[in-house]
Amino acid sequence: AQSVTQLGSHVSVSEGALVLLRCNYSSSVPPYLFWYVQYPNQGLQLLLKYTSAATLVKGINGFEAEFKKSETSFHLTKPSAHMSDAAEYFCAVENAGNMLTFGGGTRLMVKP
Amino acid sequence: EAGVAQSPRYKIIEKRQSVAFWCNPISGHATLYWYQQILGQGPKLLIQFQNNGVVDDSQLPKDRFSAERLKGVDSTLKIQPAKLEDSAVYLCASSLVISGGNQETQYFGPGTRLLVL
Repeated sequence: AQSVTQLGSHVSVSEGALVLLRCNYSSSVPPYLFWYVQYPNQGLQLLLKYTSAATLVKGINGFEAEFKKSETSFHLTKPSAHMSDAAEYFCAVENAGNMLTFGGGTRLMVKP
Repeated sequence: EAGVAQSPRYKIIEKRQSVAFWCNPISGHATLYWYQQILGQGPKLLIQFQNNGVVDDSQLPKDRFSAERLKGVDSTLKIQPAKLEDSAVYLCASSLVISGGNQETQYFGPGTRLLVL
């Protein structure tokens, strides 16, 4: 089964700084990849998804991610962090039958 | 459009007791998923239904966990008897029907937070 690894369980940035959350996948074929965000005491909300149409994927709230096959990566970025971006972010890969396998998550903290 | 509904939002029980969680998916979504999210970890799929049939339950601890979706809409996840290690958030998600080669976005409910003492 395909899997994803998120590097860094905690990331701290200052408000207005670049956000970079790392995700690497293991797959022998181009996978479907996702980023979800989870705010405290809430379910997961889809930020963006890669389905092989374009390598640069734009999502909600100003986030985007780039699929790099040579690096088996799908890192999430946002040019300027906002306090409201503080949350937990999960990278996920789709396995057969539309089943998702999630990474361990990265908690993003935004300092004023 | 209403989202995925789950109840209760919080539950505290003692070990060896039983507990049940309820999920109502988005209207028209044929596929329903239950995930377990232990504190500090990503969600782990427990079981997947398409309509009222089980697609995958390979990670469901069947000695104590059971789930059903009798009429292909609402679903119930039960734990009997509960253990300390079952303390987690139980997330329900739904998507349109699985179709070969097509990826259908999963929409998640707010979850039920279970604490087993």
